[in-house]
Amino acid sequence: AQSVTQPDARVTVSEGASLQLRCKYSYSGTPYLFWYVQYPRQGLQLLLKYYSGDPVVQGVNGFEAEFSKSNSSFHLRKASVHWSDSAVYFCALSAGGYKVVFGSGTRLLVSP
Amino acid sequence: GALVYQYPRRTICKSGTSMRMECQAVGFQATSVAWYRQSPQKTFELIALSTVNSAIKYEQNFTQEKFPISHPNLSFSSMTVLNAYLEDRGLYLCGARPGQHAEQFFGPGTRLTVL
Repeated sequence: AQSVTQPDARVTVSEGASLQLRCKYSYSGTPYLFWYVQYPRQGLQLLLKYYSGDPVVQGVNGFEAEFSKSNSSFHLRKASVHWSDSAVYFCALSAGGYKVVFGSGTRLLVSP
Repeated sequence: GALVYQYPRRTICKSGTSMRMECQAVGFQATSVAWYRQSPQKTFELIALSTVNSAIKYEQNFTQEKFPISHPNLSFSSMTVLNAYLEDRGLYLCGARPGQHAEQFFGPGTRLTVL
């Protein structure tokens, strides 16, 4: 069975600092991986996706993520966060089918 | 571009009543439509997956009797929450995909409040 683990329920960083949100997945094959963001009382917005090729993928608003097959990870990074980045971030996996499995989410708080 | 609309965006219903929500894909053919629920402070649980030319598949803890889904064409799906109770409150997301390995496009969700 496929699963996604986001080990950090909450992360607090200062504005302008760098950010890494962790994501680990469990799947024996090659997964399709996504990061979504949910702003307060809104739906999901896609930040970036990985299908194949270069393990570092660029997304919107300066976000990037790195796929590591050996570590079964797909961590999200940003060099310098802004207060508007405060939101809940979800890592998700699609494993060769139509089903998408979500992690539990990481709530990011950017402090001034 | 590919867009997914959901309506209503917010709805309130009395406990024990039913509520229908709709999902519309624009700009692509929704080969599959997945319905998710996000309960307060939780992640997204898959309720069911509807794929063209296949039976609708419900996840454990969700049934057709409680969450009947219609997917009559490649642009529209609806789901009803029958006999809604407090535990059914949350944000219901529709995710539509044009193909098996394609990105899933999400609507903004329907937020259900049960009184």
